[in-house]
Amino acid sequence: ELKVEQNPLFLSMQEGKNYTIYCNYSTTSDRLYWYRQDPGKSLESLFVLLSNGAVKQEGRLMASLDTKARLSTLHITAAVHDLSATYFCAVGSNDYKLSFGAGTTVTVRA
Amino acid sequence: NAGVMQNPRHLVRRRGQEARLRCSPMKGHSHVYWYRQLPEEGLKFMVYLQKENIIDESGMPKERFSAEFPKEGPSILRIQQVVRGDSAAYFCASSPLRDTQETQYFGPGTRLLVL
Repeated sequence: ELKVEQNPLFLSMQEGKNYTIYCNYSTTSDRLYWYRQDPGKSLESLFVLLSNGAVKQEGRLMASLDTKARLSTLHITAAVHDLSATYFCAVGSNDYKLSFGAGTTVTVRA
Repeated sequence: NAGVMQNPRHLVRRRGQEARLRCSPMKGHSHVYWYRQLPEEGLKFMVYLQKENIIDESGMPKERFSAEFPKEGPSILRIQQVVRGDSAAYFCASSPLRDTQETQYFGPGTRLLVL
């Protein structure tokens, strides 16, 4: 069974500083997703990473994938309040099944 | 293009009642997935359906739970004789193809509370 571990589970960020969320997974996979979830809302797709060394950036968020280490990182640059949310990584197995990490709840404080 | 629609958004049931959750995929999407999210946990895969076919129900409890995706109409996740442990958020996702590179697009979820 594919296991996905995220850390930290809770992250209190100070505005303007940089932080990283880590996602480790247990078996080989060819795709990794990052999603954002606001309280009581659905999941919003942030990034899809499909190959070793893939790096994608959108605004203050940057995601990377190292398939050999089975590790993805989500880097947040100069945190701002509207980045407060829960961030999930999800790893694909076979054609369709996604296995999710437990999520990282981010709170950005002034 | 409307996104994935789910209804109801909130559902309250008493123990022993039935819960029916509906999901309409995005237009042009013929693959539907159901996930369950327990409080403060990640989503867990339940079932994958195409029109009129259950492809993979390995994540669904063997008893009381069933899912369908008829030729016409929404996909339905049905929970019979609900128990308190069924309280969770149930998310539906859809994709256009069974393709490893396709993102699954999620609906707003149905939050089920069993009293």
